[in-house]
Amino acid sequence: EAGVTQFPSHSVIEKGQTVTLRCDPISGHDNLYWYRRVMGKEIKFLLHFVKESKQDESGMPNNRFLAERTGGTYSTLKVQPAELEDSGVYFCASTWGSSYNEQFFGPGTRLTVL
Amino acid sequence: GQQLNQSPQSMFIQEGEDVSMNCTSSSIFNTWLWYKQDPGEGPVLLIALYKAGELTSNGRLTAQFGITRKDSFLNISASIPSDVGIYFCAGRAWANNLFFGTGTRLTVIP
Repeated sequence: EAGVTQFPSHSVIEKGQTVTLRCDPISGHDNLYWYRRVMGKEIKFLLHFVKESKQDESGMPNNRFLAERTGGTYSTLKVQPAELEDSGVYFCASTWGSSYNEQFFGPGTRLTVL
Repeated sequence: GQQLNQSPQSMFIQEGEDVSMNCTSSSIFNTWLWYKQDPGEGPVLLIALYKAGELTSNGRLTAQFGITRKDSFLNISASIPSDVGIYFCAGRAWANNLFFGTGTRLTVIP
């Protein structure tokens, strides 16, 4: 069974540009999470989807970040316009059934904003 | 939000040595988790702890959920080269999301 996949693996953009990250959770997992790790710091929660609904978006840094999960399958996270402090590794995770079950993480997208 | 202090930040050890790392929180958690991240991969769950005082092992790994519910430690015995990576503690309070520590980067010298 395929794990959580994320695309792209790396993205280098200039300040002010737009970037869209994609996450494909494990098939059948209703819960999908986005996290971000800024260099050397902790992995921080961004938001949680249950199917296509946003359950908790308390970790989203500001309104330059927009997450969607149309149809309750894959999710996208768009950053527009990107700023230097948005650089980091963005992880996606998914769980089956109860959201208290183990979260399976994708390999992450490393975003560099120049 | 909750703050997790994880220490040490990095460790360089000889193969065969034991390793210990810990996390403390400013608030109570209901679940403590320990993850390992290999280069180019996402974090993978090693051990999950659900009760204060719980001591759980997974092969050479042992972790404990502190009595105060504000701390946890992870021990690795007889380290081997493939133990290299970044270890993260994570805690869950009442919501579904996880709060992570800053990570401990482990280097094992053969």
